[in-house]
Formats: sequence, structure tokens, C-alpha cells
Amino acid sequence: EIVLTQSPDFQSVTPKEKVTITCRASQSIGSSLHWYQQKPDQSPKLLIKYASQSFSGVPSRFSGSGSGTDFTLTINSLEAEDAATYYCHQSSSIPLTFGGGTKVEIK
Amino acid sequence: QVQLQESGPGLVKPSETLSLTCTVSGDSISSYYWSWIRQSPGKGLEWIGYIYYSGSTNYNPSLKSRVTISVDTSKNQFSLKLNSVTAADTAVYYCAVYYGVLEYWGQGTLVTVSS
Repeated sequence: EIVLTQSPDFQSVTPKEKVTITCRASQSIGSSLHWYQQKPDQSPKLLIKYASQSFSGVPSRFSGSGSGTDFTLTINSLEAEDAATYYCHQSSSIPLTFGGGTKVEIK
Repeated sequence: QVQLQESGPGLVKPSETLSLTCTVSGDSISSYYWSWIRQSPGKGLEWIGYIYYSGSTNYNPSLKSRVTISVDTSKNQFSLKLNSVTAADTAVYYCAVYYGVLEYWGQGTLVTVSS
């Protein structure tokens, strides 16, 4: 099973700041890494697929990069509505797995 | 855009079978893969398995002995059965469409295992 390790677990950020979240895979997964945003009492929403492809309707301030084992989600100029927990997810091999999540709080 | 809606009992007794249905709208279920995922405070997000419209399945090995996912193309629905449940199976259960990535998810339904 591929283990995804996210860091940090928690981040408190001022609006307009840049946020960087990392996800490390326990073995190479190519670009089969995806990022989700989950707000309280909502289901996860896809932001970035295949490491760097923006999903339809997602604001351009969200971007992803990386390949192999190391990946990054960047939120440029954080807005208040971006307060949420962010998860990475790999679809390279079965079982599909998720990172533990990074909670982003707005100061 | 496809939409998904989970339905089923919110309370299941220990040792019994958890049964949920996901109704798909906005697209035909006769394409793609259809998946179940759950989320509990103790274990985060956990993929349960997926089914292709033809009926072929793939399950998480950690749950494989207890899980059955099936599809009903005539109703545009797919279902989850998890047997011999314990308190550890208490979670929010989501259904989602899988196009190589879990693109769209239902709103989720909380299932509590308790006597």
C-alpha cells in the first residue's frame, strides 16, 4: 500500500499570503497524485488532478506540481473562503490511498 | 456534470450488514467506474472499492472479506454492502465517480454502528 504523508498538519495563514502544502509518497507514483479541498460538513472537492492539471471551475490561485514521490499544492494569495482541510490522493495503485490532511486556518 | 446521492439507514447494529445505495444523475452509470469511500475521525479518508458498470470490482484489501459493491444500470444506481460491522465502521460514507481520479462525490451519509 502506498502511504501518503502530508505536511504540515495545520497552518494558520493571513489572507493574501501564499500557502504551500507538501505530499510525499512512500514509493514513486508518477503523476497520479490529486488534491482535494474539504470544508466542514461538505464532501471533498477536486482541485488538481494528475499533479498539476487544474480541475474545471477551480480558481487559478490553486496550482500543483511534482512527480515521482514529492508533490506540492500551492495557494497563491489566500482568500478567506480557502479555509478548509486539504488532502492528497493517489490513484497509481490499488488500494487507492489518501494523505492525512492539512488544515488551513485563516488568521 | 454528474451528481451523486447516497441513501440508506443511518444506524446499524453491531454484527449486522450496512447497506447503502448511490443514485447517479446527470450521466449514465453505463460508463466509468463508481466508488465508495468513507471518512471517520480515527482513520481519515479510506477508499472502500469501486465497480465498473459491467460489474467488475476492485476492493481495498483491508475490507475485501466484508465488502460487496454492485451496480443496477436500469436504476442508474450502485450499492455498498459491508457485513459484520463494528463500532470501527462508524463513518461518513461517500460515493463518487472514478475517471482515474475521484472527480465528483456525493454529499455523504453518516452511518453509526451502535446497539
